Amino acid sequence: GQQVMQIPQYQHVQEGEDFTTYCNSSTTLSNIQWYKQRPGGHPVFLIQLVKSGEVKKQKRLTFQFGEAKKNSSLHITATQTTDVGTYFCAGRMKRDDKIIFGKGTRLHILP
Amino acid sequence: NAGVTQTPKFRILKIGQSMTLQCTQDMNHNYMYWYRQDPGMGLKLIYYSVGAGITDKGEVPNGYNVSRSTTEDFPLRLELAAPSQTSVYFCACRQYFGPGTRLTVT
Repeated sequence: GQQVMQIPQYQHVQEGEDFTTYCNSSTTLSNIQWYKQRPGGHPVFLIQLVKSGEVKKQKRLTFQFGEAKKNSSLHITATQTTDVGTYFCAGRMKRDDKIIFGKGTRLHILP
Repeated sequence: NAGVTQTPKFRILKIGQSMTLQCTQDMNHNYMYWYRQDPGMGLKLIYYSVGAGITDKGEVPNGYNVSRSTTEDFPLRLELAAPSQTSVYFCACRQYFGPGTRLTVT
């Protein structure tokens, strides 16, 4: 079946270090969304990427969508304690329009 | 403008009981979704709706039912609760999520 794989599952970084999480889809996507979820909270929408090769930035966050529209990444520069949480990608399948979430990357920041 | 609201916030059910999780949005948008999230896991789509009167199954629909009689409301029904349905349930309208309902079935 259609899958969205997200790695790594966990990441511990020192405050100030960079962080990257990757998503790979088994099939071509129409778009991909990124969310952040704090412990005990609900997913909060960060961004949507639609175009092949698209790169978008939000302050210290950089989002990329692969040329084949099957993979994506989120990069955080110089992490801060406020970045703690789980980051999810969610791909909309081009074939049937269904949305499939990756399992998320849990980011821990070491002070 | 509350966005997406869900009730209740918490609920404990006994095996075999039934209940309805309520979801309401005030964004006047057609697309709504129900997800479940098990501890430490991602979200799995239960059902979704592209407009009033239209619903469709997601990845994990078994044991659940939905209805969409209005644009605003998208309730999720559990008919015969089972321990496997212990989870946190999120309703979403487009990319906006409600606060969730934490359900325990014992």
